Amino acid sequence: ETGVTQSPTHLIKTRGQQVTLRCSSQSGHNTVSWYQQALGQGPQFIFQYYREEENGRGNFPPRFSGLQFPNYSSELNVNALELDDSALYLCASSPFGGAGTGELFFGEGSRLTVL
Amino acid sequence: DAKTTQPPSMDCAEGRAANLPCNHSTISGNEYVYWYRQIHSQGPQYIIHGLKNNETNEMASLIITEDRKSSTLILPHATLRDTAVYYCIVRVGSSNTGKLIFGQGTTLQVKP
Repeated sequence: ETGVTQSPTHLIKTRGQQVTLRCSSQSGHNTVSWYQQALGQGPQFIFQYYREEENGRGNFPPRFSGLQFPNYSSELNVNALELDDSALYLCASSPFGGAGTGELFFGEGSRLTVL
Repeated sequence: DAKTTQPPSMDCAEGRAANLPCNHSTISGNEYVYWYRQIHSQGPQYIIHGLKNNETNEMASLIITEDRKSSTLILPHATLRDTAVYYCIVRVGSSNTGKLIFGQGTTLQVKP
């Protein structure tokens, strides 16, 4: 069973640029959620995707957007990068509507630095 | 905002039990208590969850008070590898949402 994988693991961008982060969900999981974790803080929910549509969003501006593909993988796009966007971006997958624990499975994250 | 309150940090001696408290006085009847931990530079990892009964798995035990306003995560024999930030979260269990509201968590330092 393959776990949640994210790429790239580290990247550096400059203010105003755009970035795309990628996530492959765990096998059999059709729901992907994204989190932003600033240094020293707990993760904050950005949004969730199910059936290729956004299905829940946290308090993040529209320049944070995403996609989900038929194979359930997902992308997080951030436009017009700001210095405060520097953070660890975490992807988590789960089976929508499945019985079980309600557990989310997290990837190792992509660390974005904005200069 | 997070619906839980945890101490910011705790120490524990290696081999001893680590007891991590969590207050969730506004928990609703259909909300479960979940615990995750995050080892440095890794993604959060699920530990255990419960509704009102005490729960135990291979990683830990969860004790929930009868009024459900607080709980304690117990790591029975802490090792150095248990050093991590531990997050207590309340949410509707087995819900169809990937949204977890994390607080600041408790940084547990296990010392030799």
